[in-house]
Amino acid sequence: EAQVTQNPRYLITVTGKKLTVTCSQNMNHEYMSWYRQDPGLGLRQIYYSMNVEVTDKGDVPEGYKVSRKEKRNFPLILESPSPNQTSLYFCASSLRQGYYGYTFGSGTRLTVV
Amino acid sequence: TQLLEQSPQFLSIQEGENLTVYCNSSSVFSSLQWYRQEPGEGPVLLVTVVTGGEVKKLKRLTFQFGDARKDSSLHITAAQPGDTGLYLCAGVGTSGTYKYIFGTGTRLKVLA
Repeated sequence: EAQVTQNPRYLITVTGKKLTVTCSQNMNHEYMSWYRQDPGLGLRQIYYSMNVEVTDKGDVPEGYKVSRKEKRNFPLILESPSPNQTSLYFCASSLRQGYYGYTFGSGTRLTVV
Repeated sequence: TQLLEQSPQFLSIQEGENLTVYCNSSSVFSSLQWYRQEPGEGPVLLVTVVTGGEVKKLKRLTFQFGDARKDSSLHITAAQPGDTGLYLCAGVGTSGTYKYIFGTGTRLKVLA
């Protein structure tokens, strides 16, 4: 089944404790992206990658890091999480930067206390 | 800055009613997608429209892309409780940064 897999689904952590949210897709998509979704603010892009070893900032990149060492994986790293990073996070992939639409993961609900 | 404005923002209707959701922009889009998102889940792609004037049907859902490729509509016939969710339009613009943009969203609730 074609899908984007995110882990974990839920995460509660403390301020400053580094964490990684994993994302993997099995569709051979070149384009991958991370979004956060907050009430009243919609989906905001954090980082995106157009191909292996090519990443770029989205609209809200502060406090996040990404890497794209393999085509299928695109982990999101929070080096020192803060409470304002409490949010619902989605990884998504696309054949061609959204032209045909995105396939989204099921989401990671992160709470930073 | 390219924007996609959706209307209405909220909609609560009775089962069996028809409804239309609009997605408007002042900019031209190379393609537009519609997604449905349920609480706590990722958006699920419903359809992609590419050609101006294009109409696509997905069971009781009818999607239309405006002739000028600046707007789109989603019409649901005989809505059911299972249609409840957040509907998002999105697309890639044809100018500027060619960024993928999400609409402001329409939250639909269908009452049994």
